[in-house]
Amino acid sequence: GDSVTQMEGPVTLSEEAFLTINCTYTATGYPSLFWYVQYPGEGLQLLLKATKADDKGSNKGFEATYRKETTSFHLEKGSVQVSDSAVYFCALTGNQFYFGTGTSLTVIP
Amino acid sequence: DVKVTQSSRYLVKRTGEKVFLECVQDMDHENMFWYRQDPGLGLRLIYFSYDVKMKEKGDIPEGYSVSREKKERFSLILESASTNQTSMYLCASSFNKGWDEKLFFGSGTQLSVL
Repeated sequence: GDSVTQMEGPVTLSEEAFLTINCTYTATGYPSLFWYVQYPGEGLQLLLKATKADDKGSNKGFEATYRKETTSFHLEKGSVQVSDSAVYFCALTGNQFYFGTGTSLTVIP
Repeated sequence: DVKVTQSSRYLVKRTGEKVFLECVQDMDHENMFWYRQDPGLGLRLIYFSYDVKMKEKGDIPEGYSVSREKKERFSLILESASTNQTSMYLCASSFNKGWDEKLFFGSGTQLSVL
């Protein structure tokens, strides 16, 4: 069945460091891919999405490219801030939403 | 902005109690969902609803039921709470039936069953 695998956390980075959170997927058909973010004490909110191969989603300095050949949708940011500390979830849509297990990111000043 | 409101942030119940978790959305969304979030397991879909009085089972419906009597309100019911139902429960909504639609989440209810 459809599934998402994302890198284990927690991840701790210094401010202004480069961020990569890996996400790979298994799906039949052509799913849409998403990154959701959960800030402390809040629900998940959509960070970015891509609906077809080679699409790049971007928002708030974060980017992810839909790679069909490697079945990946890695999240990147060039320079993280303390305010980016959160849990990040990769997700895809098949016959429902499938979420990864989440990666906790802590950015230290 | 869309608001999805869950009635309680924290809830403590006893084993065997009947528990109601309430969720209300204010943007006339068609779809509503209940997930539970557990460390290392991510989000798992319990039930969802496309319309008033309609419900569909998700991946882990056992031990749960739902009610949607009004479009804006979707309730999750634990008929007889058990300790393995201790979890964070997240309600979400989306505009239409397409699974590409963005989900809007509530802040969650952390339920502890003692």
